[in-house]
Amino acid sequence: DAGVIQSPRHEVTEMGQEVTLRCKPISGHDYLFWYRQTMMRGLELLIYFNNNVPIDDSGMPEDRFSAKMPNASFSTLKIQPSEPRDSAVYFCASSSTGNQPQHFGDGTRLSIL
Amino acid sequence: AQSVSQHNHHVILSEAASLELGCNYSYGGTVNLFWYVQYPGQHLQLLLKYFSGDPLVKGIKGFEAEFIKSKFSFNLRKPSVQWSDTAEYFCAVTTGYFTGGGNKLTFGTGTQLKVEL
Repeated sequence: DAGVIQSPRHEVTEMGQEVTLRCKPISGHDYLFWYRQTMMRGLELLIYFNNNVPIDDSGMPEDRFSAKMPNASFSTLKIQPSEPRDSAVYFCASSSTGNQPQHFGDGTRLSIL
Repeated sequence: AQSVSQHNHHVILSEAASLELGCNYSYGGTVNLFWYVQYPGQHLQLLLKYFSGDPLVKGIKGFEAEFIKSKFSFNLRKPSVQWSDTAEYFCAVTTGYFTGGGNKLTFGTGTQLKVEL
């Protein structure tokens, strides 16, 4: 079975640039989650969608971050402009309806210079 | 809002030693509990989950966890660890009550386990 697919796996860019992270959830999963993982703060939920609709974006750090889910098979997390403190591993996860476990992608390791 | 505490941030064990990682949560209602593992450089994988029923839950790779409601705890155990168990372990909780849908996971800060040969 294809799991959650994220791209790119690694991204290195200079501060001020726009960064776009991509996620393809598992087919049939109604929920999609974006997380950020850092040494200092651990795993933080940024935003999650249900049936392509953003439900809770209270974890989005600031207006420089935005997320979209134009259809059931694709989501993006965008940072514009990027800053060094955004450097982290960003995970996407999906789950089916209900309290089912979340399945995580391999993550995008983002480095902002 | 619920929170999850993992008191052991780093644990070092020798192979064949027994493991117990603590996890406590703060929420008075119905909860669903999870343990995830993250091997070096990899994504999080589900070890086991508790929704209801038998409070002793068995997961993959010989891991188990016990839900003790009175102590708000969900400790992870393994009788005999292996070098390949070296990883970071995360406890997580969702509340069973839907307020508009979704299963918002709250993670603990993680426990880094190192198993030495």
